Amino acid sequence: AQSVSQHNHHVILSEAASLELGCNYSYGGTVNLFWYVQYPGQHLQLLLKYFSGDPLVKGIKGFEAEFIKSKFSFNLRKPSVQWSDTAEYFCAVNAHGGSNYKLTFGKGTLLTVNP
Amino acid sequence: NAGVTQTPKFQVLKTGQSMTLQCAQDMNHNSMYWYRQDPGMGLRLIYYSASEGTTDKGEVPNGYNVSRLNKREFSLRLESAAPSQTSVYFCASSNSPGQGLYTEAFFGQGTRLTVV
Repeated sequence: AQSVSQHNHHVILSEAASLELGCNYSYGGTVNLFWYVQYPGQHLQLLLKYFSGDPLVKGIKGFEAEFIKSKFSFNLRKPSVQWSDTAEYFCAVNAHGGSNYKLTFGKGTLLTVNP
Repeated sequence: NAGVTQTPKFQVLKTGQSMTLQCAQDMNHNSMYWYRQDPGMGLRLIYYSASEGTTDKGEVPNGYNVSRLNKREFSLRLESAAPSQTSVYFCASSNSPGQGLYTEAFFGQGTRLTVV
């Protein structure tokens, strides 16, 4: 069964600092990878996704993620965070192919950006 | 463009009461899901429906039942609510292999349920 591990439970940064959130998954086959963001009191929104091709994926709001297959990792990055990036971030994976496309989520990383 | 709509947004139940959470999507997706979100636990899959007419258990199905009423609607029922079911519940939908390239799951706004 697939699983997802997010390394940091809570990250606190100052505005303009660089961000990297770790995500590792366990599954031997081909995967689709996602980062979702949840702003306080809201539902999950997609930040970016990887299906195939260029392992460096660019998403909304200046976020990007790099898929490193050999490390089973899909880390999220942003060069300069803003106060409005304060939110919870979830990495998710599903196994490519098969009869369903259910997602497995990591436990989430809460990002607090101080002004 | 409504996307995924859940009702109600908030609910307080007494232990032992029953209720049904409703979910509808207007994106013609085959697959629908119910997740619960608890602090420090991420999102855990309760049940999913890969296509109309099929349902399967996820990671935490105990205490819940689901109905895929038609392609648009997927409801979650708590027959006898327990305090351990206090959580935020999210419905989601996605397309599936028969519909072409999978994109991603789209989520509803969530239902905050408290069982006292």
